[in-house]
Amino acid sequence: NAGVTQTPKFQVLKTGQSMTLQCAQDMNHNSMYWYRQDPGMGLRLIYYSASEGTTDKGEVPNGYNVSRLNKREFSLRLESAAPSQTSVYFCASSPRTSGGAPYNEQFFGPGTRLTVL
Amino acid sequence: KQEVTQIPAALSVPEGENLVLNCSFTDSAIYNLQWFRQDPGKGLTSLLLIQSSQREQTSGRLNASLDKSSGRSTLYIAASQPGDSATYLCAVKGSSNDYKLSFGAGTTVTVRA
Repeated sequence: NAGVTQTPKFQVLKTGQSMTLQCAQDMNHNSMYWYRQDPGMGLRLIYYSASEGTTDKGEVPNGYNVSRLNKREFSLRLESAAPSQTSVYFCASSPRTSGGAPYNEQFFGPGTRLTVL
Repeated sequence: KQEVTQIPAALSVPEGENLVLNCSFTDSAIYNLQWFRQDPGKGLTSLLLIQSSQREQTSGRLNASLDKSSGRSTLYIAASQPGDSATYLCAVKGSSNDYKLSFGAGTTVTVRA
């Protein structure tokens, strides 16, 4: 089991460029999440997908879009990158969003380090 | 809005000393609390998850306690080793249907050989 995988690991963009961050999980989890991590701050939720076919906004969705391509894959798109989007992006998955442990325990990918110049 | 705080932001101890990491949260109505480890440049690894009905969870040298009424959790790492050097984050889930984890900023631990 690879768990949660993310590509690319590093990316440098110029302001205004677009890109898509890819995430896949092989644990047959229903729910997937995108977070960003900034220095001195905890992780903040950008978007999540409770189940295949559904997506919802988190705390900081502005400037991002997501696609739940199938049960395994959940992508994050930056349409017009801005320097404020320089961050480390983490994808996570859980068996589902609700219910008791272990159903809502989240498992994280290794992250994508994005710099926007 | 749930606020999660981890103090201190950084900690340095000699090898063999017990580590005590603190996590506090403002809304005591939590569903569960999860402790993670993050190595430099890496993702998060789940260490322990405590349901709100539990007082503690143990895994090897790790023990996490939860006091919901006072809004605190403590992660104890016994007999620290240089390999325990990492950033430790705590995160809380508000309710069973809550999709979101509220994270603290983490405590960065250095264990000196």
